[in-house]
Amino acid sequence: EAQVTQNPRYLITVTGKKLTVTCSQNMNHEYMSWYRQDPGLGLRQIYYSMNVEVTDKGDVPEGYKVSRKEKRNFPLILESPSPNQTSLYFCASSLSGVGAGVNQETQYFGPGTRLLVL
Amino acid sequence: GQNIDQPTEMTATEGAIVQINCTYQTSGFNGLFWYQQHAGEAPTFLSYNVLDGLEEKGRFSSFLSRSKGYSYLLLKELQMKDSASYLCAVRDRGSTLGRLYFGRGTQLTVWP
Repeated sequence: EAQVTQNPRYLITVTGKKLTVTCSQNMNHEYMSWYRQDPGLGLRQIYYSMNVEVTDKGDVPEGYKVSRKEKRNFPLILESPSPNQTSLYFCASSLSGVGAGVNQETQYFGPGTRLLVL
Repeated sequence: GQNIDQPTEMTATEGAIVQINCTYQTSGFNGLFWYQQHAGEAPTFLSYNVLDGLEEKGRFSSFLSRSKGYSYLLLKELQMKDSASYLCAVRDRGSTLGRLYFGRGTQLTVWP
């Protein structure tokens, strides 16, 4: 089944304890992205990757790191989590990130990771 | 970034028609998406417009006017399961190629 998977789905942690949220897609998509979603603020992009070894900042990259060593995986790293990073996180992927029409550009989202930082 | 506006909340009754508007300002428009998101779940793709006009998909239609920076999502024959948040998202063609900017979403409640 074509899908985007994220792990863990739920996580409670403490301030300063490094964590990684994994994201994997099995659709051979070039483009991958991380978003956070907070009440009243909508979906905000953290980082995105147009292809392997190509990553770029979104709107809210502070406090996050990413890597794209393989096409299928795009982990999100919080080196020193803080309470303001408590949020619902979504990973998404699409065939392409560059104006190539609906089939190439439609983003498919993972199920989400709910993070609480105490 | 981009400026994307949509109403925060809307309500309608089962069987009715509802129109959710979205206005945007962008440096270089390259497509507009509508997503549906049920509470606690991932957004799912509904429709895509890149040229002016109406795209119809069953009970859902989406309209785009690039000159006005305006789109709407039309939902017909509303069902209870249509209660969800509807997200408008714009693709930029300019320096931030590859990015998709989302509005804050419109929470639609369908009453019996």
